[in-house]
Amino acid sequence: ETGVTQSPTHLIKTRGQQVTLRCSSQSGHNTVSWYQQALGQGPQFIFQYYREEENGRGNFPPRFSGLQFPNYSSELNVNALELDDSALYLCASSLEIGGADTQYFGPGTRLTVL
Amino acid sequence: TQLLEQSPQFLSIQEGENLTVYCNSSSVFSSLQWYRQEPGEGPVLLVTVVTGGEVKKLKRLTFQFGDARKDSSLHITAAQPGDTGLYLCAGSLSGGYNKLIFGAGTRLAVHP
Repeated sequence: ETGVTQSPTHLIKTRGQQVTLRCSSQSGHNTVSWYQQALGQGPQFIFQYYREEENGRGNFPPRFSGLQFPNYSSELNVNALELDDSALYLCASSLEIGGADTQYFGPGTRLTVL
Repeated sequence: TQLLEQSPQFLSIQEGENLTVYCNSSSVFSSLQWYRQEPGEGPVLLVTVVTGGEVKKLKRLTFQFGDARKDSSLHITAAQPGDTGLYLCAGSLSGGYNKLIFGAGTRLAVHP
């Protein structure tokens, strides 16, 4: 139990639709990162938010966007869904942005795009 | 491009056997983490290694960080069925934000 929660647990969408995934960070953590984990692969970094601002981004197109709120909860938005967006989406919270600070992962949201 | 190569991808062994999982890269990491992931759940941190040559033990699990901080290994002694799962290594690059680069994982099955 990491204290990081995500919703919904599962989601089915069709190609071209938009989706919003939500994450509630561990209490006191001001940094949240989002990862995409395709079946049989390790998680891939999407982006990170620190104190409500995007702090770094991986190799994902602009249709992947995010928000972090003052209470440090966050959202991942994906527009114009494609079949390849089907994956487990993980959020991870940490206390600070640098060094070997531990990232605590939520259980993930399983997104299926048909 | 996979910056972190994990091997083997799959491992099926009998209870009581020993095993080693490897994580290799050409990049230098400021730290390296090992996670274990169960089906339908997020990765759970097992250990973080920071110093080159560092060895950490967690019960029957031994983790080592290479001297040059480019590689790591996880050794499990006397594996048990409860060790079954996906083991992921993840490196953090120096400087900037704490972005984790994951390997593809090693799926371990320990049979009674």
